[in-house]
Amino acid sequence: DSGVTQTPKHLITATGQRVTLRCSPRSGDLSVYWYQQSLDQGLQFLIQYYNGEERAKGNILERFSAQQFPDLHSELNLSSLELGDSALYFCASSATTSGGRDGELFFGEGSRLTVL
Amino acid sequence: GENVEQHPSTLSVQEGDSAVIKCTYSDSASNYFPWYKQELGKGPQLIIDIRSNVGEKKDQRIAVTLNKTAKHFSLHITETQPEDSAVYFCAATLRGGADGLTFGKGTHLIIQP
Repeated sequence: DSGVTQTPKHLITATGQRVTLRCSPRSGDLSVYWYQQSLDQGLQFLIQYYNGEERAKGNILERFSAQQFPDLHSELNLSSLELGDSALYFCASSATTSGGRDGELFFGEGSRLTVL
Repeated sequence: GENVEQHPSTLSVQEGDSAVIKCTYSDSASNYFPWYKQELGKGPQLIIDIRSNVGEKKDQRIAVTLNKTAKHFSLHITETQPEDSAVYFCAATLRGGADGLTFGKGTHLIIQP
């Protein structure tokens, strides 16, 4: 158990809809990262927050947004969903700001999104 | 663009044999190279990492080697066991880590009994 909690574990929705994925980082970790995992693209970095502030941005679509709340949990919002958004979405946390450069990223078990 | 290439995509070895997974990276400024293991239904978990100031690091049956000149690094697993079956991802900090960790596309390691 990594200590990172993600909900929901599975989500099925239709094209055009909006969903919210939730992540609680490990106790004490200030950084939260979101990754998208698809079969053909591997693990793609989406966005990082540190202590409530956006820290780094990767290949995140404009239809997607995220935020980190004062209690450090984070939410990833996916809107106007398309079939190609079907993927596993992972949240990870770390104690540092540096995107995993200084050490371990702790991953949750992921939220599997299926868009029909 | 900057990326991390990983080979092979699938590797099948007999139990007890060694397995080697290779990665190349494009950014010569990269200085941190972790390897993550993902078991079925789980998130990736760090198994070993190496920084650019060393050429090799070992942890029991697992070792990582780094060749900064050639910009490639490899994961070596010796005396493979059934529990080594998983997907392995290499990663590197490209563009100074501005994009977080950049992962390779993964290698599905299958240990044959």
